[in-house]
Amino acid sequence: DGGITQSPKYLFRKEGQNVTLSCEQNLNHDAMYWYRQDPGQGLRLIYYSQIVNDFQKGDIAEGYSVSREKKESFPLTVTSAQKNPTAFYLCASHTGEHYNEQFFGPGTRLTVL
Amino acid sequence: GENVEQHPSTLSVQEGDSAVIKCTYSDSASNYFPWYKQELGKRPQLIIDIRSNVGEKKDQRIAVTLNKTAKHFSLHITETQPEDSAVYFCAASETSYDKVIFGPGTSLSVIP
Repeated sequence: DGGITQSPKYLFRKEGQNVTLSCEQNLNHDAMYWYRQDPGQGLRLIYYSQIVNDFQKGDIAEGYSVSREKKESFPLTVTSAQKNPTAFYLCASHTGEHYNEQFFGPGTRLTVL
Repeated sequence: GENVEQHPSTLSVQEGDSAVIKCTYSDSASNYFPWYKQELGKRPQLIIDIRSNVGEKKDQRIAVTLNKTAKHFSLHITETQPEDSAVYFCAASETSYDKVIFGPGTSLSVIP
């Protein structure tokens, strides 16, 4: 289970506040991803980064922002523009080589009060 | 963009029976199809994957089949056990590190 961590495990925020979710990996992986998981909707891609200082929008990027200043870190900011932010957020990383698996972090459950 | 559909959304089987989960995808450029298992309260983990140049792949009690012409692929679990109970996600991508699009998931319950 080690190698990719997310913090905190549970996060509460008031409506209108921005909040940043942490994702760190020590696997020396080039690619990192953020997914949102809602019941019955699977894993939806928010943002992904294949290399440091570069990232691309996924299918549901609106209301979210990311940065990739270091290979090990890919923080996700949930802004006040995200209309329905309460969800389970999963971070993943990948070696960047063909046909290798994505490794997931333990997730952060965000609740907006 | 790619769209992955998955059926059924829930599946209950008796212990020892087989379970089949089916997925379809829309983008003919997709050539990598992983399956992930997520146990309750845990992170998703890869259980098997298949590349487009292969029609079937087996790993003990788990097998995956791929029909590129019809754009569908399936997960087969034989001799199911209670520990197989979990949510299973299929996925598709052009390469394994590119955008990976997941299906909505199938909640499998194996009844002892």
